[in-house]
Amino acid sequence: DTGVSQDPRHKITKRGQNVTFRCDPISEHNRLYWYRQTLGQGPEFLTYFQNEAQLEKSRLLSDRFSAERPKGSFSTLEIQRTEQGDSAMYLCASSRGYTGELFFGEGSRLTVL
Amino acid sequence: EDKVVQSPLSLVVHEGDTVTLNCSYEVTNFRSLLWYKQEKKAPTFLFMLTSSGIEKKSGRLSSILDKKELFSILNITATQTGDSAVYLCAVDSLNTGTASKLTFGTGTRLQVTL
Repeated sequence: DTGVSQDPRHKITKRGQNVTFRCDPISEHNRLYWYRQTLGQGPEFLTYFQNEAQLEKSRLLSDRFSAERPKGSFSTLEIQRTEQGDSAMYLCASSRGYTGELFFGEGSRLTVL
Repeated sequence: EDKVVQSPLSLVVHEGDTVTLNCSYEVTNFRSLLWYKQEKKAPTFLFMLTSSGIEKKSGRLSSILDKKELFSILNITATQTGDSAVYLCAVDSLNTGTASKLTFGTGTRLQVTL
């Protein structure tokens, strides 16, 4: 059990650029989540995968955001045409079935200039 | 819309003190309430509570849920500097199906000083 890993840990980009984050969940965890956390706030749900199927998307996830989980293993979160309001910590979490306990990665911090 | 309110927002105590953190919530079709600890980056799971009045305990930490009054408390006894962190409360709803689509509060920032 090597934990949930995310890459990159920090990304600085200019407004209008595209960025992609990767998440490698704990092996054998079939559920994968993306959350977003801004300074001083709790994490907010973005999207959820069960195996390779994206089963839930938040209204926070605008058309500029897309997430994939090919083959039900790692996942990517892409943000197109970034805006300053996208600056946040993007947290990935995984779980095996429903236990309520999510295992979070250390996050990918996005700064949009 | 589900809602979680935590209090206090921040707290500074001396090592050895006992602290109580509060979490009140509004959720349709309650499934569970969870507590997480966030020290620097990744939140780590502490407790999941589903039934009223049953205390969950882990070492110096304990938590209890009151589903009638819609709140939970997290107690930390004999605090240590390593307890310094943000403590997050979250609720999960049956409306989310099989997903853990948690609604988090803003957290309580605890600082334990020597």
